[in-house]
Amino acid sequence: NAGVMQNPRHLVRRRGQEARLRCSPMKGHSHVYWYRQLPEEGLKFMVYLQKENIIDESGMPKERFSAEFPKEGPSILRIQQVVRGDSAAYFCASSPGRGVTEAFFGQGTRLTVV
Amino acid sequence: EDQVTQSPEALRLQEGESSSLNCSYTVSGLRGLFWYRQDPGKGPEFLFTLYSAGEEKEKERLKATLTKKESFLHITAPKPEDSATYLCAVQFVSNDYKLSFGAGTTVTVRA
Repeated sequence: NAGVMQNPRHLVRRRGQEARLRCSPMKGHSHVYWYRQLPEEGLKFMVYLQKENIIDESGMPKERFSAEFPKEGPSILRIQQVVRGDSAAYFCASSPGRGVTEAFFGQGTRLTVV
Repeated sequence: EDQVTQSPEALRLQEGESSSLNCSYTVSGLRGLFWYRQDPGKGPEFLFTLYSAGEEKEKERLKATLTKKESFLHITAPKPEDSATYLCAVQFVSNDYKLSFGAGTTVTVRA
């Protein structure tokens, strides 16, 4: 049973470009959570999605960031016009339903903005 | 504002030297407390969830305990492979999906 799959594992973007991060949840899981880990900081909640719905995006920066979880395919975290401060590790977790008792994370995507 | 504080920031141990990590929180209404292990370049690996004061859980050389205001992760007779960053996260009663993480304790175990 595959775990949470994230790709790419590493992503390098120049300032101003777009970054797309993908997350495939564990089999049978329809709820996805994105977290960001800045250097020397703890993980911070960004957004919680259910299939085709954004449940809570209170941790997302108001501009340039968006997330989706379509009916088919992986969840996508999209960052437009990246800046150096967006450099971080982005992690995805999934659960079978609302409510987290054992949150399993993917290996993350490490975004570097040059 | 609700906060999660882990101490110490770093811990260097000799193999076999037992120690404890602390996670304190100022949450008004704790639903659950989670412990994770994170290796460099990897995602957090789930270890335990604790729900009520007095609860204890064990896994190999790790034992997690919970009180009303803090949790401890005890490492008994550690081995070099226990070297990692240990993360604590809390979940509020009012929110059954969001985890608030501490900054972590980096443990280094020397042979």
